[in-house]
Amino acid sequence: SQTIHQWPATLVQPVGSPLSLECTVEGTSNPNLYWYRQAAGRGLQLLFYSVGIGQISSEVPQNLSASRPQDRQFILSSKKLLLSDSGFYLCAWRSDRVLGYTFGSGTRLTVV
Amino acid sequence: QKEVEQNSGPLSVPEGAIASLNCTYSDRVSQSFFWYRQYSGKSPELIMSIYSNGDKEDGRFTAQLNKASQYVSLLIRDSQPSDSATYLCAVNRGSQGNLIFGKGTKLSVKP
Repeated sequence: SQTIHQWPATLVQPVGSPLSLECTVEGTSNPNLYWYRQAAGRGLQLLFYSVGIGQISSEVPQNLSASRPQDRQFILSSKKLLLSDSGFYLCAWRSDRVLGYTFGSGTRLTVV
Repeated sequence: QKEVEQNSGPLSVPEGAIASLNCTYSDRVSQSFFWYRQYSGKSPELIMSIYSNGDKEDGRFTAQLNKASQYVSLLIRDSQPSDSATYLCAVNRGSQGNLIFGKGTKLSVKP
């Protein structure tokens, strides 16, 4: 069966520090991968998606970036965090045959 | 107009009652519709998908879709306190595009 792993679960980082969140999927090949952010009182905002290795599409301009170095690995990064980057970051995947997304357990990021 | 709209709630229903959650969307060519349940502090969990007009039932859950009215709903029969959560409506952008989520409706089921 397919599983999605996301870590860390919680993270407290100072303003201006770098960020790296990792997501991996098991049990499937060539998944579509997504990074969402859910800020307090706001809905799920799509940040990046990828349909294959090295293919990244950005939905919202910001100081975050994403990379897909391997088929089942998706990384969200920042060189310098802002206070506004605080939120609940969710990785999700989708196969070709099932259009619904499956989410990882999420990373709660607090920038202080 | 927002792409996917839901009443934020909270919607409060007594245990055993029917909870009715509603969602409207703006993209007329959307083909896939989903309901997710999100418990506080947890990630969203897919509970229902619907692609054709009409009703789709799964246990205590019924999803209803009306493409002409651009409206999708979720009914929860015999509501239980464990159903208390935020319910997110999601619609694909375009015919096969990425999912766009509503802000969710918070449901509270009172014992």
